[in-house]
Amino acid sequence: DAGITQSPRHKVTETGTPVTLRCHQTENHRYMYWYRQDPGHGLRLIHYSYGVKDTDKGEVSDGYSVSRSKTEDFLLTLESATSSQTSVYFCAISESMAGGHNEQFFGPGTRLTVL
Amino acid sequence: QKEVEQNSGPLSVPEGAIASLNCTYSDRGSQSFFWYRQYSGKSPELIMSIYSNGDKEDGRFTAQLNKASQYVSLLIRDSQPSDSATYLCAVNIPSNDYKLSFGAGTTVTVRA
Repeated sequence: DAGITQSPRHKVTETGTPVTLRCHQTENHRYMYWYRQDPGHGLRLIHYSYGVKDTDKGEVSDGYSVSRSKTEDFLLTLESATSSQTSVYFCAISESMAGGHNEQFFGPGTRLTVL
Repeated sequence: QKEVEQNSGPLSVPEGAIASLNCTYSDRGSQSFFWYRQYSGKSPELIMSIYSNGDKEDGRFTAQLNKASQYVSLLIRDSQPSDSATYLCAVNIPSNDYKLSFGAGTTVTVRA
């Protein structure tokens, strides 16, 4: 998994609670991403980071926030979890954007269930 | 129109045959194209990147790109049961180099 870990790997939580997922990389890649994957929707970008403290929204960012205080860590927070946020969450990293050659490598994923 | 569309599948092929996967994209300005393999319950794994028109071969995999027709394909030669997986096509979004657009995937089953 290209030196990418995600924690926790599985989590069950209740509606209304805050949840933080962590992505940690040892590749020193500049760019990091959070996706969710749901049946019928494929992979959808939640937020991404293009450097320490530099983040931006993806296509499904409502209800999520992110932080990146160090190159190696990218945190995804569900401020108040809802059942619609039950999903598998993947972190990805990439080294370069040169010429649009944005090869992204994925972590192992976190399966989140919101009851 | 979806940005990236893949043949819906599932695709069932006998062992040893060629599996052919197709992907079309809507933004003529896209320049980078990727194929990912995802086993059930696992994360996507990058197997091919292609940036120029024509063919690119890597082992039993061949990616084919035709920018004029806006399609990219993946051929798996001598298909093996271990090739049974979902294959995702991804394309860069010209308006934002940070982003990729992913297709919904094509599930391939190789019959022994």
